[in-house]
Amino acid sequence: SAVISQKPSRDICQRGTSLTIQCQVDSQVTMMFWYRQQPGQSLTLIATANQGSEATYESGFVIDKFPISRPNLTFSTLTVSNMSPEDSSIYLCSVGTGGVDQPQHFGDGTRLSIL
Amino acid sequence: SQQGEEDPQALSIQEGENATMNCSYKTSINNLQWYRQNSGRGLVHLILIRSNEREKHSGRLRVTLDTSKKSSSLLITASRAADTASYFCATEQQGAQKLVFGQGTRLTINP
Repeated sequence: SAVISQKPSRDICQRGTSLTIQCQVDSQVTMMFWYRQQPGQSLTLIATANQGSEATYESGFVIDKFPISRPNLTFSTLTVSNMSPEDSSIYLCSVGTGGVDQPQHFGDGTRLSIL
Repeated sequence: SQQGEEDPQALSIQEGENATMNCSYKTSINNLQWYRQNSGRGLVHLILIRSNEREKHSGRLRVTLDTSKKSSSLLITASRAADTASYFCATEQQGAQKLVFGQGTRLTINP
């Protein structure tokens, strides 16, 4: 399976600032996704990162708050903008082959704390 | 919420015992997947069961799927301390490749 590197692994940020999280895959993949996991909760899909076009956002998530880039088939970034303490979460990227009945594989996540 | 439900939310058993976790979901699916998460780190894929399958095995793991009841179960046999983790089911929705996760079960194996 693909090896997924996420940076940073953790960060502590001041409210009102923005942070960009990187997701690098060691092979070309069709699908890349970004999830949020709030403390003690399950994972919620933020958006599907589309190569060469705007990301597809899920209900409750907007581009102004979570801009996403995907310049090629191995790399994506998620920016968490104008952060507040409610944004303290683990952010995870995952990749999929796009094939039928294939699992997604996850990076180790970015643990973000907002003061 | 589209998220499925898992029960129990937490489970604590002795090493060597079997652990069973249940998952229910709401919509038609392509497949159902189980993942493990250790201490808030990334998720590790355990097993995928297709919508036309009823049971699947992988090592000490046994997964069942009942699409008529929209439910699945994960059985871990002969548990080990290293099995201590959170376990999540996730469904791949028909017509889409995105996953919808259950609430998760926190499993603790006591030595």
